[in-house]
Amino acid sequence: EVQLVESGGGLVQPGGSLRLSCAASGFTFSSYWMSWVRQAPGKGLEWVANIKQDGSEKYYVDSVKGRFTISRDNAKNSLYLQMNSLRAEDTAVYYCAREGIVATSPWGQGTMVTVSS
Amino acid sequence: EIVLTQSPATLSLSPGERATLSCRASQSVSSYLAWYQQKPGQAPRLLIYDASNRATGIPARFSGSGSGTDFTLTISSLEPEDFAVYYCQQRSNWPPSTFGQGTKLEIK
Repeated sequence: EVQLVESGGGLVQPGGSLRLSCAASGFTFSSYWMSWVRQAPGKGLEWVANIKQDGSEKYYVDSVKGRFTISRDNAKNSLYLQMNSLRAEDTAVYYCAREGIVATSPWGQGTMVTVSS
Repeated sequence: EIVLTQSPATLSLSPGERATLSCRASQSVSSYLAWYQQKPGQAPRLLIYDASNRATGIPARFSGSGSGTDFTLTISSLEPEDFAVYYCQQRSNWPPSTFGQGTKLEIK
């Protein structure tokens, strides 16, 4: 069974940092692009960042460029999101998701990040 | 950036009725469009890919159509478990992908 499990969320003050992790299992992790997608409370889905199979290409939504860094460790079947200079508007559930050829699937259960003083 | 506009924002229907959800792209995405269902407290689940192909395990009452800029998700006869929020996603200009703002399907 394909499974994605996020961790690392929590409460952080504005300007602070947090590192999210996603543990993948049930598929060949190194063969897939991977993404982080977030959802602010009561809002829609927003793609945040994605990374190529070997980590050689990375893309970010404009609002997080220069603050967030996506990375992966294929030996550990893990995806990461380093979030620095956090703002209130970064408050959201962050989902890890596998990028197939035709769609984003599956998704993890999400981890909540709250940026507040 | 390709913008996806979903309509209506909210759709109120009764079980057994037919639901028709729309997704319009700001420029052609060919058939590279997917639909997702999200229930409260859950992650999104893939329903349809490439505009009209049902994902594994998705009931036949769900169908997708369209190409270019106009797409439709149809649920032929609503079951109680179908009331949820539905999102479209374009995969044409990828990466990145973009999502529509969602349509909430609620019980009338």
